[in-house]
Amino acid sequence: QVQLQESGPGLVKPSETLSLTCTVSGGSISTYYWTWIRQPPGKGLEWIGYMSYSGSTNYNPSLKSRVTISVDTSKNQVFLKLSSVTAADTAVYYCARSLTVGWLVTHVDVWGKGTTVTVSS
Amino acid sequence: EIVLTQSPGTLSLSPGERATLSCRASHSVSSSYLAWYQQKPGQAPRLLIYGTSNRASGIPVRFSGSGSGTDFTLTISRLEPEDFAVYYCQQYGTSFGQGTKLEIK
Repeated sequence: QVQLQESGPGLVKPSETLSLTCTVSGGSISTYYWTWIRQPPGKGLEWIGYMSYSGSTNYNPSLKSRVTISVDTSKNQVFLKLSSVTAADTAVYYCARSLTVGWLVTHVDVWGKGTTVTVSS
Repeated sequence: EIVLTQSPGTLSLSPGERATLSCRASHSVSSSYLAWYQQKPGQAPRLLIYGTSNRASGIPVRFSGSGSGTDFTLTISRLEPEDFAVYYCQQYGTSFGQGTKLEIK
């Protein structure tokens, strides 16, 4: 079965760029949409955005100016970049696989375990 | 932008009781695009229900979903000890509700 593993620095300085990698094993990146979701400590889930296998993206309007999601199909990896981070970006970041009906995403069916990122100097 | 509001914020019940969780949308959501997730402390969320009423693989039959338009409901018919967790609804694979914490009374 498909498994997702997030990786990246656990500590990022304010104003810098947060960069995370999601490695997909047990399945192909193709034909699915790939989503990033985060959860600040003690709070709820926040959708960051998703990217389709064909390269189209959809981002949370509140983060759109700072977010880039990309994929490398040859390596079966999904990437998240979040620029100009502040303490408010401290969270557990989840990589997830999303399913679609037509071109509309319906839900997330597979989640990674998540990786904790702290923004602090 | 569609905003999802879940109620109640916290629900205190005993094992064996019936739980009813609500998710209300600010604008109509097609039933194909409303999902529910369960999250336990220290774990990633898990898909429970998709398309309003379809149970995900391996989800017990005591979990059911219903609703249409702007009002959706997750029902747990008889609570088991492992059901006490936080539950989130999501629309169109994007925004989530703020969550309902189901705690043991």
